[in-house]
Amino acid sequence: KAGVTQTPRYLIKTRGQQVTLSCSPISGHRSVSWYQQTPGQGLQFLFEYFSETQRNKGNFPGRFSGRQFSNSRSEMNVSTLELGDSALYLCASSLGEGLLNIQYFGAGTRLSVL
Amino acid sequence: QKEVEQNSGPLSVPEGAIASLNCTYSDRVSQSFFWYRQYSGKSPELIMSIYSNGDKEDGRFTAQLNKASQYVSLLIRDSQPSDSATYLCAVNMNTGFQKLVFGTGTRLLVSP
Repeated sequence: KAGVTQTPRYLIKTRGQQVTLSCSPISGHRSVSWYQQTPGQGLQFLFEYFSETQRNKGNFPGRFSGRQFSNSRSEMNVSTLELGDSALYLCASSLGEGLLNIQYFGAGTRLSVL
Repeated sequence: QKEVEQNSGPLSVPEGAIASLNCTYSDRVSQSFFWYRQYSGKSPELIMSIYSNGDKEDGRFTAQLNKASQYVSLLIRDSQPSDSATYLCAVNMNTGFQKLVFGTGTRLLVSP
């Protein structure tokens, strides 16, 4: 069974640009969550999508947005990039329901903003 | 107060010893708890999950949960150098919606 696939693995952008990251969940998983990981702040929750609907959102500015498609694949977009957006962006997929709903992480996309 | 707190470490233990990693959380209604291991430059991988008070064992790993004290721990028996990694405690603050809140992680170093 294929795991969570994130593309691209690495990105270099300049300030002011926008970027789109992609996440393909494990087959059968309907939930995709996105996290930002930085050395200073650790893993921070961005948002979660379930069956094409955003169910939960973290405390990030509106420059961060996402969507989920009918096949459960998800994209995350960051507009007007800032230097502070440099981070490892992780997506995690899960069934989306139940008490012990396990989230499985992809390898991540490392974004560098110059 | 942070929602999920961990000692950043590093926690240094000799090979073969028991490593004890601790985590406290602030939200009393939290229902499920997870331990992830993250090697440098890699993504987190699930080690243990627990939602009932008490102990849950899986091989060399034991997760312990005390909801009254809002405390969850991970014990690693017979620690190996390959266990050297950052261990992240994650708490699902709300059943039904998958918002995991992570601690900043404890770095574990196992010396041969």
